Amino acid sequence: NAGVTQTPKFQVLKTGQSMTLQCAQDMNHEYMSWYRQDPGMGLRLIHYSVGAGITDQGEVPNGYNVSRSTTEDFPLRLLSAAPSQTSVYFCASSRDRDRTSGNTIYFGEGSWLTVV
Amino acid sequence: SQELEQSPQSLIVQEGKNLTINCTSSKTLYGLYWYKQKYGEGLIFLMMLQKGGEEKSHEKITAKLDEKKQQSSLHITASQPSHAGIYLCGAAARGSTLGRLYFGRGTQLTVWP
Repeated sequence: NAGVTQTPKFQVLKTGQSMTLQCAQDMNHEYMSWYRQDPGMGLRLIHYSVGAGITDQGEVPNGYNVSRSTTEDFPLRLLSAAPSQTSVYFCASSRDRDRTSGNTIYFGEGSWLTVV
Repeated sequence: SQELEQSPQSLIVQEGKNLTINCTSSKTLYGLYWYKQKYGEGLIFLMMLQKGGEEKSHEKITAKLDEKKQQSSLHITASQPSHAGIYLCGAAARGSTLGRLYFGRGTQLTVWP
């Protein structure tokens, strides 16, 4: 997975704690997004950004916050962790949002989060 | 929202056998992605299809897009243990940005020697 770096890879949180999952890409991609993957549910979009300073909600945004102060970084914040947020989180990026450009969407290697 | 149905949910084949995984959309497809995921790892991009009738191949994996049927198929020829993993299809909804993909729930492929 070229160019999309997520940290940490594993994290255990207590209910109520907050934390930030980091995502960085070095491909100068305009578009970045966060997904969560749960057993039997596939990947679901949490938040996305079409460029620095612009973010929007996906399918399952509740309990998460994002910001995009630079093109490279797109951190995901859990405000008050709940057991329902135990999941695998993936960050993704692509050159732009136009489907006709044929650009590839790259994913990070995932962050495994457990909330106890 | 767009829904993608993958079939089968799981597949166990003997090494050397051919297999097909299908991805059917509830809405018109506008760009269809195939990814492979190994347990504990990220998603590896395989192929993207944009036009009806389009077919792409990489090594022993071929993907086709049938826009009329709103369906894509992924075919593996002469499967090997290295093909084992979860295959995911993702598609963009009409009027949505490319990066807003909807995903199927995945097909778990096991290849035994």
